[in-house]
Amino acid sequence: GAGVSQSPSNKVTEKGKDVELRCDPISGHTALYWYRQSLGQGLEFLIYFQGNSAPDKSGLPSDRFSAERTGGSVSTLTIQRTQQEDSAVYLCASSPRKDRVTYEQYFGPGTRLTVT
Amino acid sequence: AQSVTQLDSQVPVFEEAPVELRCNYSSSVSVYLFWYVQYPNQGLQLLLKYLSGSTLVKGINGFEAEFNKSQTSFHLRKPSVHISDTAEYFCAVRGTSGTYKYIFGTGTRLKVLA
Repeated sequence: GAGVSQSPSNKVTEKGKDVELRCDPISGHTALYWYRQSLGQGLEFLIYFQGNSAPDKSGLPSDRFSAERTGGSVSTLTIQRTQQEDSAVYLCASSPRKDRVTYEQYFGPGTRLTVT
Repeated sequence: AQSVTQLDSQVPVFEEAPVELRCNYSSSVSVYLFWYVQYPNQGLQLLLKYLSGSTLVKGINGFEAEFNKSQTSFHLRKPSVHISDTAEYFCAVRGTSGTYKYIFGTGTRLKVLA
């Protein structure tokens, strides 16, 4: 079946511009996560959505970052007024519904964001 | 709050030699533990996980890990590595209740030499 997809795969933007990154999770997965992967920094948790519950936004680094998930499926991560330090690979992952005890995250290929 | 420490950023090892990648965690609650692998230019995939039961967990590609609660460790091992094991390995932790948030370590780059 189809895995997690992300678009665009690469994005180059100028400092100060806004960007939107998209994630299409695996159909039926209720949990969706966003991470940021910077060189030497590992995966930094940003936000997760679980079904209809309020999202856990505790990892968003500043108020320039926001995310939404429409209809329990597609998610968009928005970065406003981008800064050079926002350059990284942004990863999305989804997990099956919580009563199916697998606890495995399925990762997308990522969006490489470069802010010039 | 939880945290994960992967002390070794890079581990070079010769082909067919054994390897151990270290992972230590800190948590005030019970946790689930995971190892993910990221091959060059590919996405992350689950290698193995510890949820409960036997502390020795076997995963894909001949890898195994042992959960040591007293030492708060979850080291990854393979008795004989192949060139194809060259990748970045991430340890991750998640609380067993009240949260679906995963905390990842900074990764260990395993380079297998011919």
